[in-house]
Amino acid sequence: AQSVSQHNHHVILSEAASLELGCNYSYGGTVNLFWYVQYPGQHLQLLLKYFSGDPLVKGIKGFEAEFIKSKFSFNLRKPSVQWSDTAEYFCAVNARSASNTGKLIFGQGTTLQVKP
Amino acid sequence: NAGVTQTPKFQVLKTGQSMTLQCAQDMNHNSMYWYRQDPGMGLRLIYYSASEGTTDKGEVPNGYNVSRLNKREFSLRLESAAPSQTSVYFCASSEARASREVRQFFGPGTRLTVL
Repeated sequence: AQSVSQHNHHVILSEAASLELGCNYSYGGTVNLFWYVQYPGQHLQLLLKYFSGDPLVKGIKGFEAEFIKSKFSFNLRKPSVQWSDTAEYFCAVNARSASNTGKLIFGQGTTLQVKP
Repeated sequence: NAGVTQTPKFQVLKTGQSMTLQCAQDMNHNSMYWYRQDPGMGLRLIYYSASEGTTDKGEVPNGYNVSRLNKREFSLRLESAAPSQTSVYFCASSEARASREVRQFFGPGTRLTVL
C-alpha cells in the first residue's frame, strides 16, 4: 500500500533560520507530489507541486522542494523562515495511473513554530 | 467563483445522533473527496467520487455514507455519531484524468464534536 512519511512532527525555529522538512513516500510508479500548508484556523492551501520536468520546484512565499526519485523523497525547504510561516505542513502523493482518480495520500503533518 | 464550500462550519452532536455534511464545488470538477483530519495523523480519505454517479471507499469509511447528488455536490452522512468521529472534515475536488496531472482544491472544513 502507498504511504507517505514526514520525518519531523514538530519543528521550532527562530526567524531567519533555514528550514528543511523531510517527506518520503512508498510507491514504485510515477507520482504527482504536493506540499500543502494549513495556517492556524484556516483550510489547506497548495504550497507547491511537482508533476514532471525539473525536480526542483518553486512555490509560493519562497518555498521550494526537490524531488529525488532514487530516494523517493520530496523535501521542502526555505532559506529564511518568518514568523508568518508558523503553520502545519503536509506532504501528499498522488499515484499516476491509467485509473487515476486523483486520490491523495497524506503524510502525518509537521507543525512548524517560528519564534520572533 | 467560490471554489469548494462546506456547511456547516461547526457542529456539536450527541452520541447516536445523525447529521449530513454538505459540500459543493463550482469548478466543474469530476472528482470529489471527503477527508478527516486528526492530530498527528494527517488527512485520511473517507470516501471519494471519481465521477458523478460513482462513489468508493477510502482508508477510513466505517461509520460514514456518502451521496454524489450531482456533479457539484457531494455529501457525507454520519448515521449514528460516535465520539471517535470527533474531527475536522474537509471536502476537496479535482479535475482528475487518467495519468494526468491532478491537484485538489480544499474547502474550509467542518469542525465536528461528538459528545
